[in-house]
Amino acid sequence: KQEVTQIPAALSVPEGENLVLNCSFTDSAIYNLQWFRQDPGKGLTSLLLIQSSQREQTSGRLNASLDKSSGRSTLYIAASQPGDSATYLCAVRSQGNLIFGKGTKLSVKP
Amino acid sequence: DTAVSQTPKYLVTQMGNDKSIKCEQNLGHDTMYWYKQDSKKFLKIMFSYNNKELIINETVPNRFSPKSPDKAHLNLHINSLELGDSAVYFCASSQDWRGINTEAFFGQGTRLTVV
Repeated sequence: KQEVTQIPAALSVPEGENLVLNCSFTDSAIYNLQWFRQDPGKGLTSLLLIQSSQREQTSGRLNASLDKSSGRSTLYIAASQPGDSATYLCAVRSQGNLIFGKGTKLSVKP
Repeated sequence: DTAVSQTPKYLVTQMGNDKSIKCEQNLGHDTMYWYKQDSKKFLKIMFSYNNKELIINETVPNRFSPKSPDKAHLNLHINSLELGDSAVYFCASSQDWRGINTEAFFGQGTRLTVV
């Protein structure tokens, strides 16, 4: 059964720092991996999708990598800003199901 | 122009009542989902429908009954509500359910409180 783990559960950094969020999954038979952002009391916003055959995807200050064989993905955020404060969720599409980790709560302090 | 919309956004009801949450997507997607986010913010799949057919049912109590009248709609009906049903329920959609390019889009959530 696919399990997704995100480390750390919470992270607090000063504005301007570069940071890395980690995601691991137990079954490498995935179609893709998706990173989301969730603001308090809001829905999920899709940030990046990496197909199983891809190694990385970039969008603005965000860069996501995927190492399918080792079951790992990272989300790199460059030059963090207070507006980046949110919970970041990693989800893998596996056997028709989108399975989520428990998220990393990021706080960027001015 | 909201892609995935849910109504209502908030729902407060008494134990034992029956309630429905509606979901509509205007993306032309074939697959729709219901997820439950518990008090610890963990998102767990409840149901998945592809072209109005049920493809995933994750051991959800049969008090929960999804209904898909057409590809653009997936409603969730809950009978005999219990305190433990209090959570945020998210609807989502994707073009299909297995492709490598399949990207999921989520609604804003319905916060259900059972008192």
